[in-house]
Amino acid sequence: GAVVSQHPSWVICKSGTSVKIECRSLDFQATTMFWYRQFPKQSLMLMATSNEGSKATYEQGVEKDKFLINHASLTLSTLTVTSAHPEDSSFYICSARQALGSQETQYFGPGTRLLVL
Amino acid sequence: GNSVTQMEGPVTLSEEAFLTINCTYTATGYPSLFWYVQYPGEGLQLLLKATKADDKGSNKGFEATYRKETTSFHLEKGSVQVSDSAVYFCALSDGTGFQKLVFGTGTRLLVSP
Repeated sequence: GAVVSQHPSWVICKSGTSVKIECRSLDFQATTMFWYRQFPKQSLMLMATSNEGSKATYEQGVEKDKFLINHASLTLSTLTVTSAHPEDSSFYICSARQALGSQETQYFGPGTRLLVL
Repeated sequence: GNSVTQMEGPVTLSEEAFLTINCTYTATGYPSLFWYVQYPGEGLQLLLKATKADDKGSNKGFEATYRKETTSFHLEKGSVQVSDSAVYFCALSDGTGFQKLVFGTGTRLLVSP
């Protein structure tokens, strides 16, 4: 199947700093990518839908000024956690939507674990 | 809103045992239903899906049938292997063009030799 990568796979940062996470579709173009957040023993929660060349669509309760999303090309979306705080520590997962004719599939990245000290 | 409820884990089985992981959903309209699997250290992978009532999705010996009358999509496998140890997520799409997914909490399966 198609491959989606994330970088970095894990990151530790100090409170107040910003962290950028990259999501790349390696062998297909994705006009739409999704960003999820997963807390321990909980489900993936959709944070936002990232659309190539336009603004991201955020889910209710997600601060768009804190979680900046940029989807500048058909193979790359970035999530920047600005002024990170310990409560932002989580597992961030992206997915990329592949559309082939009438078939749509989401391919997931391996996730990025963020720890804010 | 849409939601998915999965049985809590972990589910612990011996190799070659029968597996059932329950999943029920609440949704408006006619969602598509999915099972994803997450192996240790890897991203979620689509295991199987069903797009309409009474459809049966199957892959790698796993099966699930879309039951509209009971709003369920239980995952089954007749004989599990150690390599099936992973976390399994039930999910539904809200039917929009972007395929936004709503996930259950995941069920960890542990298979011992």
